[in-house]
Amino acid sequence: EAGVAQSPRYKIIEKRQSVAFWCNPISGHATLYWYQQILGQGPKLLIQFQNNGVVDDSQLPKDRFSAERLKGVDSTLKIQPAKLEDSAVYLCASSAGTANYGYTFGSGTRLTVV
Amino acid sequence: DQQVKQNSPSLSVQEGRISILNCDYTNSMFDYFLWYKKYPAEGPTFLISISSIKDKNEDGRFTVFLNKSAKHLSLHIVPSQPGDSAVYFCAATQTGANNLFFGTGTRLTVIP
Repeated sequence: EAGVAQSPRYKIIEKRQSVAFWCNPISGHATLYWYQQILGQGPKLLIQFQNNGVVDDSQLPKDRFSAERLKGVDSTLKIQPAKLEDSAVYLCASSAGTANYGYTFGSGTRLTVV
Repeated sequence: DQQVKQNSPSLSVQEGRISILNCDYTNSMFDYFLWYKKYPAEGPTFLISISSIKDKNEDGRFTVFLNKSAKHLSLHIVPSQPGDSAVYFCAATQTGANNLFFGTGTRLTVIP
């Protein structure tokens, strides 16, 4: 079974620039999550999709962050404009069921905003 | 509001000894708990879980203990091996819910 694929692995941008991350979940997993992990902290949920609908985006800074999941498969997370405090690892995860089934995480995208 | 807390940012243990990683939670609605392991430049991987109907779950060298009254759980690794060196995250959820709440992680170093 292929894992959760994410790209790019690393990205360095200047503040006020825009950036986009891509995620391809495990085939058949209906639920997709984007997490933000700031250095020294645990992952924090940004947005959750069930198929192509948003279930929870209460922690997503909607003035600068946006996400979509077209056709209920791949997803993109965008930041525009980026701030220094957005420097973090952005983790995508997918799940076949609810949270107690556990997630499968991708390797993440490390974003550095300078 | 940190609902899951790991108060020890790091732990060093000699190879062959027991590693004990601790986790506390504040939300009494949580009834399912998971441990994830993370190596550098990789995403977290699921390690072991426990439901609140149990107080212990064992999988090989890994055992998780749950003390519901104290809202505390711990992960025991015995014997510890150098390959166990990683960051360990505790996570909690409510059965049927969609979100995992993570602690801040504990970096375990197993010294050969």
